[in-house]
Amino acid sequence: QKEVEQNSGPLSVPEGAIASLNCTYSDRVSQSFFWYRQYSGKSPELIMSIYSNGDKEDGRFTAQLNKASQYVSLLIRDSQPSDSATYLCAVNMEKDDKIIFGKGTRLHILP
Amino acid sequence: NAGVTQTPKFRILKIGQSMTLQCAQDMNHNYMYWYRQDPGMGLKLIYYSVGAGITDKGEVPNGYNVSRSTTEYFPLRLELAAPSQTSVYFCASSWTGWTDILKGNTIYFGEGSWLTVV
Repeated sequence: QKEVEQNSGPLSVPEGAIASLNCTYSDRVSQSFFWYRQYSGKSPELIMSIYSNGDKEDGRFTAQLNKASQYVSLLIRDSQPSDSATYLCAVNMEKDDKIIFGKGTRLHILP
Repeated sequence: NAGVTQTPKFRILKIGQSMTLQCAQDMNHNYMYWYRQDPGMGLKLIYYSVGAGITDKGEVPNGYNVSRSTTEYFPLRLELAAPSQTSVYFCASSWTGWTDILKGNTIYFGEGSWLTVV
């Protein structure tokens, strides 16, 4: 089983709707989780981090973590065309303080 | 404050050639990283360093070498380039390791270096 899995997409969401991105991970002891946004041809930028079970909100973004089920998700409310990008899930493997990235999900917001 | 600077931005290499990707940061960060990203894939850690004089292998170190003689510079050396090394390479830096990223620290990425081996 791959360590961090994401649906590669593309995920198409109408403008103004909620986009839901999911990520599962294999290492039960992982404690820290990150969501990065990457526009085509650009470097990744951190948009959310979470380490406690439950929800963490920042503006239109909400990260959700469920350690028992080993998944982390990102919700984007009121989706905008500028949200069209690839979203990378990253998980901290605390055994060696490195992080493992998923392949990313391509999100396309339909105007 | 330039952040993380990578050079070159684009390069075409012939099979068997060698080259060095340069990375410099002016934020006095202890941690530096090299990642590669193949088309449609996530980032794979090649090498990282927790401080000057200290380097360690990541997930995909074969075919690469690094050095960290100073805090500012973390060059990545490709020896005997192969087509499988065609990728986008990202250098990054941070104050501390990933465990502390949650505490308000963040990781800064360079703009990437596009490498094609033919």
